[in-house]
Amino acid sequence: DPKIIQKPKYLVAVTGSEKILICEQYLGHNAMYWYRQSAKKPLEFMFSYSYQKLMDNQTASSRFQPQSSKKNHLDLQITALKPDDSATYFCASSQGDRNERLFFGHGTKLSVL
Amino acid sequence: AQSVTQPDARVTVSEGASLQLRCKYSYSGTPYLFWYVQYPRQGLQLLLKYYSGDPVVQGVNGFEAEFSKSNSSFHLRKASVHWSDSAVYFCVLGDSNYQLIWGSGTKLIIKP
Repeated sequence: DPKIIQKPKYLVAVTGSEKILICEQYLGHNAMYWYRQSAKKPLEFMFSYSYQKLMDNQTASSRFQPQSSKKNHLDLQITALKPDDSATYFCASSQGDRNERLFFGHGTKLSVL
Repeated sequence: AQSVTQPDARVTVSEGASLQLRCKYSYSGTPYLFWYVQYPRQGLQLLLKYYSGDPVVQGVNGFEAEFSKSNSSFHLRKASVHWSDSAVYFCVLGDSNYQLIWGSGTKLIIKP
């Protein structure tokens, strides 16, 4: 059974709309992350949270907002979607907040038309 | 500035042959290094990691990597590949602030 659940697996959105990507981890980890993987770029770190607090934000745009309602949840809200946002978004977690070993979900593939 | 270079975007190897995937890093401090693998339509999984000590580290599924400070390299090796090793492999550098710098990945294709 997957220990990091991302929903949905696939998502199609229209330009200008808003979507929320869901991530739940059942590993008992204290740190969670969002990464983006697009066709033309290497894996790109976006955010890290530790004990539900933002630790690092490498995303320039405020259109991307992580939301942590529980320790094991880290959702990603994306507003005013653009075609360039099309990518696969991976959620990850680790026991500590020092990136010793990351566990990844299977990703949400977002296509913005 | 720190960086990770995986010079080969794609590597094709015959099943049963040996494998080396190259990774070069640039970092002035003492790095810690990882290899992650991404199987088709899945998330990434840790293969192995190096923090210190023996420069040859063993990972899962028969993979190993060798750290070379003089060459600033952390190449991944396997003695005999299997078709199930087809995947994308990422070399990752960790710095003293625990930030991760990811390589662009190498797609491994196994020929029957």
